[in-house]
Amino acid sequence: DSGVTQTPKHLITATGQRVTLRCSPRSGDLSVYWYQQSLDQGLQFLIQYYNGEERAKGNILERFSAQQFPDLHSELNLSSLELGDSALYFCASSVTSYQETQYFGPGTRLLVL
Amino acid sequence: TQLLEQSPQFLSIQEGENLTVYCNSSSVFSSLQWYRQEPGEGPVLLVTVVTGGEVKKLKRLTFQFGDARKDSSLHITAAQPGDTGLYLCAPWGKTSYDKVIFGPGTSLSVIP
Repeated sequence: DSGVTQTPKHLITATGQRVTLRCSPRSGDLSVYWYQQSLDQGLQFLIQYYNGEERAKGNILERFSAQQFPDLHSELNLSSLELGDSALYFCASSVTSYQETQYFGPGTRLLVL
Repeated sequence: TQLLEQSPQFLSIQEGENLTVYCNSSSVFSSLQWYRQEPGEGPVLLVTVVTGGEVKKLKRLTFQFGDARKDSSLHITAAQPGDTGLYLCAPWGKTSYDKVIFGPGTSLSVIP
């Protein structure tokens, strides 16, 4: 158990819909990272937040957005969903804002029908 | 932005065989981490290598950091089905990168 929690574990929705994925980092970690992993692909970095502020941005679509709240939990919002958005979405956390050891949550498996 | 390459992309071997996977970059790493991701789960850190030429062992896994700190290898002796997973490398430590980077990974399948 990494100490990072993600909800929900599974999510099935339809094209055009909007969903919110939630992540709670390990106690004491200030950074939260979001990743997308499609079938047979590596981890695609989406975005990083550090202590409530956006720290780094990767290949995140304009239809996606994220935020980190004062209690440090984070939410990833996916809107106008398309079939191709079906993937595993991982959240990870680390102590600081630099690339360091990341502790990954169990992931949310999103299926868009 | 530094690019990481990993090879081979896929590897399927029989239980008991040895194997080596590689992580390469055209740039110098300050340090490097290896993660393993089992199917359906999040990646888990295996090791961090810090010094050029460093060798670290974790049971049947041997990690080596290149002398020039541009490459790293992971050697598994007598592979077991439990070694099956996606092996990812990632630079570690304070960097000048503007985004977080993981290598594309080597997908290993160990057949009983």
